[in-house]
Amino acid sequence: DAKTTQPNSMESNEEEPVHLPCNHSTISGTDYIHWYRQLPSQGPEYVIHGLTSNVNNRMASLAIAEDRKSSTLILHRATLRDAAVYYCILPWMDSSYKLIFGSGTRLLVRP
Amino acid sequence: EAGVTQFPSHSVIEKGQTVTLRCDPISGHDNLYWYRRVMGKEIKFLLHFVKESKQDESGMPNNRFLAERTGGTYSTLKVQPAELEDSGVYFCASSQVTSGGTNEQFFGPGTRLTVL
Repeated sequence: DAKTTQPNSMESNEEEPVHLPCNHSTISGTDYIHWYRQLPSQGPEYVIHGLTSNVNNRMASLAIAEDRKSSTLILHRATLRDAAVYYCILPWMDSSYKLIFGSGTRLLVRP
Repeated sequence: EAGVTQFPSHSVIEKGQTVTLRCDPISGHDNLYWYRRVMGKEIKFLLHFVKESKQDESGMPNNRFLAERTGGTYSTLKVQPAELEDSGVYFCASSQVTSGGTNEQFFGPGTRLTVL
């Protein structure tokens, strides 16, 4: 079972920031927090990951709570192409690092 | 650089037939994963290869599914005989070998399998 909980859906206006929350209250000290997204009719796509500190890359920012029991993916300016299902995942920390997908958050971006 | 490719993109077969799905990972990626999403459900892990060795096949649903990765390059997933509940989208992903939980997995576009 997924070790994270996310809202089923969120809506945003184009060009506005979007904050996608994720709860992972059972996170262990060695668990990384990964975010993937799945655009319509495509395979999942890596977005960002972090351990303790906030992270930025060209796609998004990841804000991690101090107690690490929650995190927020931030899209600074949503575009129509950002409409997707966003998954917050704690990879399985055995030798496989397999991804356990939950139901994710479906993001709708309004023009 | 070419991404992960999967073949075919779609497959429609009848119950009881055999289907073989193929995945070509990104060159140099030792890790190869198979996942699937059946109708209305979440994406589920099937198995993981490191080079040609099966590292974790805990997600394989039953012995009708056989995965191989000869030579540590491309992989095949055979379903024999196919059942109705096998319908879904099968994804392949690859990643480099890294330490810790930092490895980014690159996914292919998936193969949509329909069993009639």
